[in-house]
Amino acid sequence: AQTVTQSQPEMSVQEAETVTLSCTYDTSESDYYLFWYKQPPSRQMILVIRQEAYKQQNATENRFSVNFQKAAKSFSLKISDSQLGDAAMYFCAYRTPFQGGSEKLVFGKGTKLTVNP
Amino acid sequence: DARVTQTPRHKVTEMGQEVTMRCQPILGHNTVFWYRQTMMQGLELLAYFRNRAPLDDSGMPKDRFSAEMPDATLATLKIQPSEPRDSAVYFCASGLLRQGRGTEAFFGQGTRLTVV
Repeated sequence: AQTVTQSQPEMSVQEAETVTLSCTYDTSESDYYLFWYKQPPSRQMILVIRQEAYKQQNATENRFSVNFQKAAKSFSLKISDSQLGDAAMYFCAYRTPFQGGSEKLVFGKGTKLTVNP
Repeated sequence: DARVTQTPRHKVTEMGQEVTMRCQPILGHNTVFWYRQTMMQGLELLAYFRNRAPLDDSGMPKDRFSAEMPDATLATLKIQPSEPRDSAVYFCASGLLRQGRGTEAFFGQGTRLTVV
């Protein structure tokens, strides 16, 4: 079974600084998707960034980028120029492509990010 | 502004009562997921549907939980009878299956259920 591990229950960063959130996963599949979701106090789960395993290039969305290391099964999220609005729980998630199997997202336990002014 | 709508946002009920949570998926999406979030277990898939047919409900306690899609615009998750251990946030998500890529899930704001 696939598992996702986020080893940092809490992280903090100064406003305008850079922070990296860690995520490792375990799978025997060669093709899959990885995601980072943000959950602010409003509870809304917001997709931050996605990575397709067959793409070697790391995904980037504005201030958010990932470091995808397929061999090491590592998928970290870097937030540059941190803003107060980035404070939230961040969840790493894994999914296999739909090929007749389950499409469930497997989530890590989350990392609570605090941004200090 | 397309979004997944869940009702109610909050629900407090007494143990033994029936609880029904509703979800309106994004128009045009053919896949609906139900996830549950607790402090202990984190986020777990309960069930999901494609074109209103259940595809996977292995995460759902069958004796008290049921999930249905009466039509393409409404998904329901029912708990009968409810128990304190059912207290959690229940998320509905919807998406559109894309050939070879699967379904990207867009989440609603969740229903926070408290069973006392």
